[in-house]
Amino acid sequence: NAGVTQTPKFRILKIGQSMTLQCAQDMNHNYMYWYRQDPGMGLKLIYYSVGAGITDKGEVPNGYNVSRSTTEDFPLRLELAAPSQTSVYFCASSLQEIYGYTFGSGTRLTVV
Amino acid sequence: GQSLEQPSEVTAVEGAIVQINCTYQTSGFYGLSWYQQHDGGAPTFLSYNALDGLEETGRFSSFLSRSDSYGYLLLQELQMKDSASYFCAVTVGNDYKLSFGAGTTVTVRA
Repeated sequence: NAGVTQTPKFRILKIGQSMTLQCAQDMNHNYMYWYRQDPGMGLKLIYYSVGAGITDKGEVPNGYNVSRSTTEDFPLRLELAAPSQTSVYFCASSLQEIYGYTFGSGTRLTVV
Repeated sequence: GQSLEQPSEVTAVEGAIVQINCTYQTSGFYGLSWYQQHDGGAPTFLSYNALDGLEETGRFSSFLSRSDSYGYLLLQELQMKDSASYFCAVTVGNDYKLSFGAGTTVTVRA
């Protein structure tokens, strides 16, 4: 059982470049989330989805976009990368609140 | 918005007991969760409290008081492998969104 798979694990981007962070889960969870974590800090919600075709903004959505065409996949798009987007990005999925989130292993992104 | 407060660091020796407190201010509170994160790793789910009281899972227990907007995570019989960051998180709304605290770094010494 793979759980939540994120790719790539590491990436260096130049200012102004774009990229897509991939996230896939094989647990048939309806709820999926993207968080970013800056060094020594908690996680901030970027975008989330309650099911295929439905997405909504979280706390820090500026500079990002998402789509949810299938239950399994929830990619995060960065347009015009900025140094402020240097962070670790975690994708997570959930079946029900009592079972908690299952997180992917993260993508470490550096924008230079 | 939501705000959560937890201590930034706690140090203890192997075999000891550590309590990590979490106070929160939020509207539309559904529950309080705890996550563990080792250096360089992903957060992993430890516990969830929706109702007042104590939930025990092995060496870890979690407590919630909704009237006091307060909870804690209790780590017993500390082991070296418990050295990690611990985050409290509140669920706000019925779409299971979590808002995380800044985390408490627990260091276990021999």
